[in-house]
Amino acid sequence: EVQLVESGGGLVQPGGSLRLSCSASGLNVSSNYMSWVRQAPGKGLEWVSVIYSGGGSTYYADSVEGRFTVSRDDSKNTLYLQMNSLRAEDTAVYYCARERGTYLYYFDYWGQGTLVTVSS
Amino acid sequence: QSALTQPASVSGSPGQSITISCTGTSSDVGGYNYVSWYQQHPGKAPKLMIYDVTNRPSGVSNRFSGSKSGNTASLTISGLQAEDEADYYCNSYTTSTTLVVFGGGTKLTVV
Repeated sequence: EVQLVESGGGLVQPGGSLRLSCSASGLNVSSNYMSWVRQAPGKGLEWVSVIYSGGGSTYYADSVEGRFTVSRDDSKNTLYLQMNSLRAEDTAVYYCARERGTYLYYFDYWGQGTLVTVSS
Repeated sequence: QSALTQPASVSGSPGQSITISCTGTSSDVGGYNYVSWYQQHPGKAPKLMIYDVTNRPSGVSNRFSGSKSGNTASLTISGLQAEDEADYYCNSYTTSTTLVVFGGGTKLTVV
């Protein structure tokens, strides 16, 4: 059974930093395309970032490019999202998910999410 | 503003069928058969219901079906049940720099 468990969310001031973790079981993060998707309170889903299997190429939404960094630790089978220069509009539940598809666009396994609140 | 357009809400009675639309452009929905749908209950993670326009993952009820015509994809739920009441999101591959786009979501109420 695949399980993705996020952690690391919390309250942070504008301009601050936070690192989210996503611990995986039942799948290897190194051999899958792993993404972060967020959902602001009462709003829809927004794709944030992806890290490719193998070589680990990374891609980001324009809204977080240059501020967020996705990485993984294969030995711990864990995905990370380092978030710097946080803004109020980054407040959201952050989900890690496995990305699938010939053109990589859909998500078949999701974690339960971790809430990030950016506020002074 | 979301890249894909969905109605904010739809409703139906138990046993009825409803359809949720998802409208994009030729750069996403209309250009490729790469559309998926998710069900999200309050406080829960999204659940994949349909991928590649028409395919259901193992374990998803055959009451859920997908289709596409031109730039609009649709999710149809037949034989509505109370537990189908949830938010539904579409998403698509896109040639834009975003790589992945979602719809704004549709709240389904089973009355």
